[in-house]
Amino acid sequence: DQQVKQNSPSLSVQEGRISILNCDYTNSMFDYFLWYKKYPAEGPTFLISISSIKDKNEDGRFTVFLNKSAKHLSLHIVPSQPGDSAVYFCAARGWGSQGNLIFGKGTKLSVKP
Amino acid sequence: DSGVTQTPKHLITATGQRVTLRCSPRSGDLSVYWYQQSLDQGLQFLIQYYNGEERAKGNILERFSAQQFPDLHSELNLSSLELGDSALYFCASSVAGREGLANYGYTFGSGTRLTVV
Repeated sequence: DQQVKQNSPSLSVQEGRISILNCDYTNSMFDYFLWYKKYPAEGPTFLISISSIKDKNEDGRFTVFLNKSAKHLSLHIVPSQPGDSAVYFCAARGWGSQGNLIFGKGTKLSVKP
Repeated sequence: DSGVTQTPKHLITATGQRVTLRCSPRSGDLSVYWYQQSLDQGLQFLIQYYNGEERAKGNILERFSAQQFPDLHSELNLSSLELGDSALYFCASSVAGREGLANYGYTFGSGTRLTVV
């Protein structure tokens, strides 16, 4: 049973436009959500996080939105650049857990020049 | 360089064999996590250690074991290997506390690609 779901395996966007990556979760006890970016042959790299008590967090071109009632979060990248092409993973941590993150299966983003 | 070092980068071994994967966490990080990424799968949590003690277990098979040493490096031991164990194995480390999680997340190494033939 997947607690964190990324239903779109891939997304293609034109350079300069907005990329929106989506993530759904089932466990209302998650207290932190994180987004990671992964290039081939490298480990995942932390991008941005959001606490469950907030609904938005912004860092440069990256903004994460959290809709707790819908158990949904999204990552917006504006403007998208070819270097953003990678696999993006959504992850969540359970409240009071020992700290391990639960990951979605990832969405492969391709930004076309 | 993320600061988390994993060795070896690649490993090819035969079914039934045993291998050891090594991880050195980022300086100052007390927690070490092991994850497995199989083809078309997300990262599956295996096990966590904190300052030498096992903290949490995920979907780790009984054929797999791990430990964290006094110098905080960790080893993941995989035995009686099967073809299905072929995967990328990642180690991650983290700063203690919510501020660390919020600002830095977990720091991942570049992984060990295990191929069982």
